[in-house]
Amino acid sequence: SALTQPASVSGSAGQSITISCTGTSSDVGAYNLVSWYQQHPGKAPKHMIYEGSKRPSGVSNRFSGSKSGNTASLTISGLQAEDEADYYCCSYGGYNTWVFGGGTELTVL
Amino acid sequence: EVQLLESGGGLVQPGGSLRLSCAASGFTFSSFGMNWVRQVPGKGLEWVSYITSSGSSINYADSVKGRFTMSRDNAKNSLYLQMNSLRDEDTAVYYCARAGYGGNTPDHWGQGTLVTVSS
Repeated sequence: SALTQPASVSGSAGQSITISCTGTSSDVGAYNLVSWYQQHPGKAPKHMIYEGSKRPSGVSNRFSGSKSGNTASLTISGLQAEDEADYYCCSYGGYNTWVFGGGTELTVL
Repeated sequence: EVQLLESGGGLVQPGGSLRLSCAASGFTFSSFGMNWVRQVPGKGLEWVSYITSSGSSINYADSVKGRFTMSRDNAKNSLYLQMNSLRDEDTAVYYCARAGYGGNTPDHWGQGTLVTVSS
């Protein structure tokens, strides 16, 4: 089953927001292999966080990831207009399978 | 620069077949596992299948198992997805994505190719 994310979150420019991603003890809880993706309309997903909390080269340090139990989180601090996008979490599910969250639409007010 | 370019999408009738391709460049293709991920327009991402770097092991989502076949040609730096017995619910943008960071994360993605299943 898909990981559970809130359908939408919003925040004012400059503020911080957190997006949750809830799975099970077979995926999120079993592995420290959650990744997060940003997707702007009509574009391909872009990886922002991997292995739970690591940032790829070139990704702003305003993006951070964490995990507690079966729930992973993405925090974006100092919100900027360009952060407005859809965000997806993804977890390794074992046996070379992956599962994605349903996606969260971020609105920057 | 890692580049992935999908092709082969289009309109197909229910029950029909289609073969997608993904051309890779900018990295040593034969050293990475690869994924196919799809997205129904306006909806979320769904993992479809994974193939190891050598092609010796392949895994599929239950929704496509028995209908889709993933393969690769390392000599041609290419990835494929043969889709048979297509259904309306297979309509989606199909992305190929490299399995980076030790194979644990779909990191770089192509721009996708749209498959529309409709009569």
